[in-house]
Amino acid sequence: DIQMTQSPSSVSASVGDRVTITCRASQGISSWLAWYQQKPGKAPKLLIYAASSLQSGVPSRFSGSGSGTDFTLTISSLQPEDFATYYCQQANSFPRGITFGGGTKVEIK
Amino acid sequence: EVQLVESGGGLVQPGGSLRLSCAASGFTFSSYWMSWVRQAPGKGLEWVANIKQDGSEKYYVDSVKGRFTISRDNAKNSLYLQMNSLRAEDTAVYYCARAKGYGDYVEYWGQGTLVTVSS
Repeated sequence: DIQMTQSPSSVSASVGDRVTITCRASQGISSWLAWYQQKPGKAPKLLIYAASSLQSGVPSRFSGSGSGTDFTLTISSLQPEDFATYYCQQANSFPRGITFGGGTKVEIK
Repeated sequence: EVQLVESGGGLVQPGGSLRLSCAASGFTFSSYWMSWVRQAPGKGLEWVANIKQDGSEKYYVDSVKGRFTISRDNAKNSLYLQMNSLRAEDTAVYYCARAKGYGDYVEYWGQGTLVTVSS
């Protein structure tokens, strides 16, 4: 099974800061990676798919990069509504299963 | 507008059974892979199972194999999860999820239904 490791597990940042979250796969997954945002008590929301493609309606301050085993989600200028938990997800093993990273909580500094 | 509405959650004793349902609307249900994803209280996301458009392929996470069964009724635009031999570690919010395109990413999520396994 492919394991997904996110770092850091939490980050404190201020409005306007640039925030970078990393996700590492236990084996190569090409570009089969997505990023989701989840706010407390709500369902996750798809932000990025295929490692770097922005989902429709998602602000352009969100961007994704990487391939193989190392991936990054960047928020270029953190906004108040961006304080949430972010998850990566690999889809290389679809349909026999997908796996999520452990999550990164972005908190107010 | 795509809508996924789960139902059937609740409190059940260890070893018991529960059937979750998901009513889908706003899209051609029979054209998409569908999944169940769960989230234990205060924990991360865990994919549980998925099912192909026509129901001919089904896959499960190892921890639920032999206990959970995913199914769908395309005529009723509905997805199901039959959960048997429930354990405390199955306690979670269960989300119904619709694939994006081919099926590898989740584009739409329901609001979730809470399953609590406790005596």
